[in-house]
Amino acid sequence: AAGVIQSPRHLIKEKRETATLKCYPIPRHDTVYWYQQGPGQDPQFLISFYEKMQSDKGSIPDRFSAQQFSDYHSELNMSSLELGDSALYFCASSGRGGTGELFFGEGSRLTVL
Amino acid sequence: AQKITQTQPGMFVQEKEAVTLDCTYDTSDQSYGLFWYKQPSSGEMIFLIYQGSYDEQNATEGRYSLNFQKARKSANLVISASQLGDSAMYFCAMREGLGAGSYQLTFGKGTKLSVIP
Repeated sequence: AAGVIQSPRHLIKEKRETATLKCYPIPRHDTVYWYQQGPGQDPQFLISFYEKMQSDKGSIPDRFSAQQFSDYHSELNMSSLELGDSALYFCASSGRGGTGELFFGEGSRLTVL
Repeated sequence: AQKITQTQPGMFVQEKEAVTLDCTYDTSDQSYGLFWYKQPSSGEMIFLIYQGSYDEQNATEGRYSLNFQKARKSANLVISASQLGDSAMYFCAMREGLGAGSYQLTFGKGTKLSVIP
C-alpha cells in the first residue's frame, strides 16, 4: 500500500540558507500535518492543512511557511536557517472517518551547520 | 500543563517477558483518541494501537494491548512476549475531538524501551 512520501530524506544546509521539504500524502487522504522532532525530543506540531486550506497552526516559526497544492502534496519552506532548526521533520496524513490515525512518512533529517 | 505524561524515560525488559509502558493524559473533551507509536533508531514513526474515548473494550493488536482506564485518565501500553526488535522509543499521543478536519496529535516525551536477550 502507498505510504506518505517525504523528500529529501537528508538535507545539510548552512546557517541563513533556505530549505524546502516535500510531502506526498497517501492517496485520498485530505489532511496533511507537519511535525518537527529535535534530537531526543518528542514531535512538535507545526502546521496542518485540510482540503488544501491551512487548518491549524502550532509552534511554527515565522521563518517557516507551508502550503498544500492542488494535487494534495505539501511543501514546508524554511528560511534564514538556524542551528536550532536541525531536526527530523515529519509529514503525516490522515483520511476521513476511521480513528483519525496519522500515517507518518519516514521523515526528512535537516542538519544546519 | 502537559497533556500527555509518560513518566518512564527508560525501561528494560527481558526478552519474552511482558512490559507495561505508562501514559496518562489530560483533556476536558468527551471525545478523544489515544495512540501509541513506536520509533526505532532509524527514525520512522510506526503506528501501534488506538483507543477511542467511547470504546468500552481495551484495544488489542497482536502482541500490543492498551490498558485504558478512563476514570484515571490512563492509557498504558502492554507489550507481551517482548522481542529484541521491540527495542525503540515509544510515544503515547492524544487527538482531541473526533470527526473530519484537522486534529493534530499531541505527543508525550516518550519511553525508551530496551529488550535484553
